[in-house]
Amino acid sequence: DIQMTQSPSFVSASVGDRVTITCRASQGISSWLAWYQQKPGTAPKLLIFAASSLHSGVPSRFRGSGSGTDFTLTINSLQPEDSATYYCQQANSFPPPLTFGGGTRVEIK
Amino acid sequence: EVQLLQSGGGLEQPGGSLRLSCAASGFTFSSYAMSWVRQAPGKGLEWVSTISSSGDTTYYADSLKGRFTISRDNSNNTLHLQMNSLAVEDTAVYYCAKDVSKIVARGFFDSWGLGTLVTVSS
Repeated sequence: DIQMTQSPSFVSASVGDRVTITCRASQGISSWLAWYQQKPGTAPKLLIFAASSLHSGVPSRFRGSGSGTDFTLTINSLQPEDSATYYCQQANSFPPPLTFGGGTRVEIK
Repeated sequence: EVQLLQSGGGLEQPGGSLRLSCAASGFTFSSYAMSWVRQAPGKGLEWVSTISSSGDTTYYADSLKGRFTISRDNSNNTLHLQMNSLAVEDTAVYYCAKDVSKIVARGFFDSWGLGTLVTVSS
């Protein structure tokens, strides 16, 4: 199975900061990567798919980039409502198995 | 508006069975692959199973070892997950999720149910 490694696992930043989360795949996955945001007690929400395509209704401060094995989620001008855990997910091996990264918790200082 | 209304779940003893359901509305259910994703308490997300839009193809995580069965009823817009031989490690919130792409599944999930807690304990 393709392993997905996220870093950092935790980040604390202030409102207005730029936050960068990275996701590395254990083998090349082209652009078959998504990013999700999950707040405590709620279901995940799709932010980015196909590495850089912004899902409908997602604020433009969220940006995805990368291809192959290395990917980045950037949150520009961090907002209080961005406090959440973020997961990457690969779909290169679809048909499955599909795999998620371990998550990155973003805290607002 | 896409809605995925989950039901089922609860407390079950090891070795027991449970059936989860997910009633879909707000989109053409029969045109989209559907999946189940679970999350153990305090842990990350784990893909469980996917079924094609027609229901004729299914996929499972290897870790399930044939204990779970995904199915769908396109006439009633409902997705199911039959879970047998439950183990303590199956304790998790289970989410149903809709694929982002029509007909040809992409493996990305753009709509999720609220989740249902399955607790396996003696």
